[in-house]
Amino acid sequence: GENVGLHLPTLSVQEGDNSIINCAYSNSASDYFIWYKQESGKGPQFIIDIRSNMDKRQGQRVTVLLNKTVKHLSLQIAATQPGDSAVYFCAENFPGREETSGSRLTFGEGTQLTVNP
Amino acid sequence: DTAVSQTPKYLVTQMGNDKSIKCEQNLGHDTMYWYKQDSKKFLKIMFSYNNKELIINETVPNRFSPKSPDKAHLNLHINSLELGDSAVYFCASSPRPFGGYTFGSGTRLTVV
Repeated sequence: GENVGLHLPTLSVQEGDNSIINCAYSNSASDYFIWYKQESGKGPQFIIDIRSNMDKRQGQRVTVLLNKTVKHLSLQIAATQPGDSAVYFCAENFPGREETSGSRLTFGEGTQLTVNP
Repeated sequence: DTAVSQTPKYLVTQMGNDKSIKCEQNLGHDTMYWYKQDSKKFLKIMFSYNNKELIINETVPNRFSPKSPDKAHLNLHINSLELGDSAVYFCASSPRPFGGYTFGSGTRLTVV
């Protein structure tokens, strides 16, 4: 299953299928990107990150792809499981005076992933 | 041990009241944040402190005042609460200014 377009708030997939969650980011100068997973009643949890000098990074069952040309980020989840059901956020970091200015993560609107057994 | 802990988890209060939310992190991080999550799950930064110094202050009504007594704590005080303040407020910390966050579990504030 895959969500497309700038914003599709829900994605429903069958257990065992691969999921693709897409995100369009806003600032071409952003240099660091993170995917977070937020389960109901909990805070967002870090899944995987990628810096702008890379176009792909793999973790355990997850892969993040970065296309800077079109300012697009995607999260691929292999063999989606019921425990993957959550809201997924992409976040971009605006570079600044990192030593004093702080990480300025800006979050996208989130995609609700529902995994059907 | 919880890495980033917020209290209370739920807060129901009447309009016009003043309330505080507390946040503590035991990760040794230098930077802490407050984010507001609205009913559509949109996360928006409110404040950021680095080593007790305010470094990010987004367009937030001055009824909201953060306080950082030390780098492990960042509290949020809200005066004259309004209905529109109802949301989930998340505290977060990061190991350096440039890095991913560890979030608390959130405080659901309901103003009635």
